[in-house]
Amino acid sequence: DTEVTQTPKHLVMGMTNKKSLKCEQHMGHRAMYWYKQKAKKPPELMFVYSYEKLSINESVPSRFSPECPNSSLLNLHLHALQPEDSALYLCASSLRLGGISYNEQFFGPGTRLTVL
Amino acid sequence: GENVEQHPSTLSVQEGDSAVIKCTYSDSASNYFPWYKQELGKRPQLIIDIRSNVGEKKDQRIAVTLNKTAKHFSLHITETQPEDSAVYFCAATNSGYALNFGKGTSLLVTP
Repeated sequence: DTEVTQTPKHLVMGMTNKKSLKCEQHMGHRAMYWYKQKAKKPPELMFVYSYEKLSINESVPSRFSPECPNSSLLNLHLHALQPEDSALYLCASSLRLGGISYNEQFFGPGTRLTVL
Repeated sequence: GENVEQHPSTLSVQEGDSAVIKCTYSDSASNYFPWYKQELGKRPQLIIDIRSNVGEKKDQRIAVTLNKTAKHFSLHITETQPEDSAVYFCAATNSGYALNFGKGTSLLVTP
């Protein structure tokens, strides 16, 4: 398996809902990432996990809560989101963190989130 | 922090022509420079990358050049085809994880 997969493809939620996004990879990658992408903008890094531990949190509001249950899975739990949080949420993975040889990041197809 | 500038923001070429997209970066410690292609509604796809110990890399119709002294790198696409139409993002990093993206170039290849 040489892909990063994400579910669901689309998600519509109200501001009081709780939902989760799921990301999976079976490439043996030990670094996983969450990005947020607004229309016509580049991806913005949110979180980085390395060996199932949170390494980087780019000052993301607490209404976004990441979780890495094992080396293949990455979740993003959503609660009390705002309409401005509507965006494409991308997961990515790379072999490891750091080291010039390990940098290639491969993206999943994303979850298009709409917050009403 | 690292700042990556990308030009042009839009580029229109005739099928068969070449396309060149240029990026400059500010952090001289940056050592990895990937290029991503993103078609409408699709994921960013890594198409080519270059590391700081290499000046040029080629993969079929796509090439990337890096000038460390001037702190700029460029994507060259030869013999463009309509399926090359997409948004292209350059990025730079010195950390191995935090990709600093340019703002993107929307490439349109007309038949």
